[in-house]
Amino acid sequence: SAVISQKPSRDICQRGTSLTIQCQVDSQVTMMFWYRQQPGQSLTLIATANQGSEATYESGFVIDKFPISRPNLTFSTLTVSNMSPEDSSIYLCSVAERGEQYFGPGTRLTVT
Amino acid sequence: KQEVTQIPAALSVPEGENLVLNCSFTDSAIYNLQWFRQDPGKGLTSLLLIQSSQREQTSGRLNASLDKSSGRSTLYIAASQPGDSATYLCAAYTGTASKLTFGTGTRLQVTL
Repeated sequence: SAVISQKPSRDICQRGTSLTIQCQVDSQVTMMFWYRQQPGQSLTLIATANQGSEATYESGFVIDKFPISRPNLTFSTLTVSNMSPEDSSIYLCSVAERGEQYFGPGTRLTVT
Repeated sequence: KQEVTQIPAALSVPEGENLVLNCSFTDSAIYNLQWFRQDPGKGLTSLLLIQSSQREQTSGRLNASLDKSSGRSTLYIAASQPGDSATYLCAAYTGTASKLTFGTGTRLQVTL
């Protein structure tokens, strides 16, 4: 199974600033996924990132707020821009292998 | 639009009991259904993946079943242990949307 790491594991940020979260996979994968988990809630898909093309965003999420990079088949970044306290969540990176989805440890973001 | 619901939202059982967690989904056109475990503040660990053509999957003390026609899946945990305490999430991969939709989760506590 794929092994996924994320940096940072947690951060506390001031409103109005931006944070970039990194996701590294130990194998080459076609699609990487970014999810948000707000406090006490389940996971919501933000976007799907394919290498070499623009990310596909879900309803309610826009590129200006959550720009994503996918420079190669093992790495992706998600930036949370112009943060507000409502952005306080766990952000998770995920990949799919043979139909099974694997998740990174998550990045716990607190916006003050 | 796929909707996934889990019942109960929370469950407390004494150690050694067998238990069943329920997951229901509204769109039966799924490719697979996956069960995850999430410890507080952590990422997700994949427990079992059931393909749409399968009826059940087993791993150790865990058994997951799938009934597409009724839109239901169950996760059976045998001889529960305190280490099983976590939130359990089910997620359905729907072909028409090409994405994973998560349930609301069941928070399980196994007491000594």
